[in-house]
Amino acid sequence: EVQLLESGGGLVQPGGSLRLSCAASGFTFSSHAINWVRQSPGRGLEWVSAINGNGQSTIYADSVRGRFAISRDNSKNTVYLQMNRLTSDDTAVYHCTRWINYYDYWGQGTLVTVSS
Amino acid sequence: QSALTQPRSVSGSPGQSVTISCTGTSSDFSDYNYVSWYQQYPGKTPKVIIYDVNKRPSGVPDRFSASKSGNTASLIISGLQTEDEADYYCCSYPGAYVIFGGGTKVTVL
Repeated sequence: EVQLLESGGGLVQPGGSLRLSCAASGFTFSSHAINWVRQSPGRGLEWVSAINGNGQSTIYADSVRGRFAISRDNSKNTVYLQMNRLTSDDTAVYHCTRWINYYDYWGQGTLVTVSS
Repeated sequence: QSALTQPRSVSGSPGQSVTISCTGTSSDFSDYNYVSWYQQYPGKTPKVIIYDVNKRPSGVPDRFSASKSGNTASLIISGLQTEDEADYYCCSYPGAYVIFGGGTKVTVL
């Protein structure tokens, strides 16, 4: 069974940093791109970042480029999202998702709250 | 990378058909045809109901169909049922980024 489990969310002050983790199981991890998609309370879905299977290719939404960094450790079946210079606009539930030209599996998400 | 444009809400009676449009720029819809649609119930994670513009995953009822023409993708729900009341999001991957629509709330009257 495919599972994606996010962790690392929490309350952080504006300007602060957090690192999210996404632990995957139930599939050949290194063969799949993983994305982060966020959803603000009561709002829609927003794509954040993606990384390919071997970690050599990454892409970012304009809203986070230069502040967020995605990476993966295929030996640990884990993807990370390092988030720096956080603002209130980054407050959301962050989901990791498996991408096969569409999102077929989603984690339950981890809540990031940016507030003083 | 502005969100694809969807109507905020659509509604219909059971048995009727509703169409949700999803409009973007020429950059948002490419020849890749990686357009997908997601259904989301409150408090739940999204579920794919259409991929590759018009393909349905196994288990998705055939009352869900979709198409794309130019810079607009469309989701059609035929024979609306009460369980179709949910939020629906379009999604496109033109190659350099992924973009979602703003979401449409479908209400079954």
